Amino acid sequence: EDKVVQSPLSLVVHEGDTVTLNCSYEVTNFRSLLWYKQEKKAPTFLFMLTSSGIEKKSGRLSSILDKKELSSILNITATQTGDSAIYLCAVPMNRDDKIIFGKGTRLHILP
Amino acid sequence: GAVVSQHPSRVICKSGTSVKIECRSLDFQATTMFWYRQFPKQSLMLMATSNEGSKATYEQGVEKDKFLINHASLTLSTLTVTSAHPEDSSFYICSAHSDLDYGYTFGSGTRLTVV
Repeated sequence: EDKVVQSPLSLVVHEGDTVTLNCSYEVTNFRSLLWYKQEKKAPTFLFMLTSSGIEKKSGRLSSILDKKELSSILNITATQTGDSAIYLCAVPMNRDDKIIFGKGTRLHILP
Repeated sequence: GAVVSQHPSRVICKSGTSVKIECRSLDFQATTMFWYRQFPKQSLMLMATSNEGSKATYEQGVEKDKFLINHASLTLSTLTVTSAHPEDSSFYICSAHSDLDYGYTFGSGTRLTVV
């Protein structure tokens, strides 16, 4: 059964801390892995990862894929209260076909 | 765990016809269902939010007469694209939220192609 599992489900840290969110997957015909940040209207796209070992970076956020371990991590350094959100991991399985979302990690940053 | 089944996964229809997409929560009651459309570069646009037994709330710019949403029960929500046009071709995804669970459970999406 194809699945995407995220951990932890919930995380509370203080502003300035660094957090690491995990996503593991078991899917057939893996193509890519996507990270989203969900706050209000709709998940906001963060990263798409296709190649193992190549870090994608955007400001304080970075992500890397490990195809051998079938997993990805999303790092957020020097966290701010505005980083509080649900972070979603998703794996599109085939071109124009299914996409499997994880349950998300609810991150809360304390001031 | 919570599962949302979305069907069909792919559909091709002719211009002018209507297409219905279903999302079912298999093992929980979805008090709220969200419908998204995926655009290039992976961005998701919220189209509407529906609560069981009430009318859907549409986002600005989304035609409610064109995208009919029905959430008649706590386990089923449908999106009907009426009088489909080629520009409606897209990937549509639903997401269900339960009052008992903080998270959102996504369907696996429907690729609609209008020819």
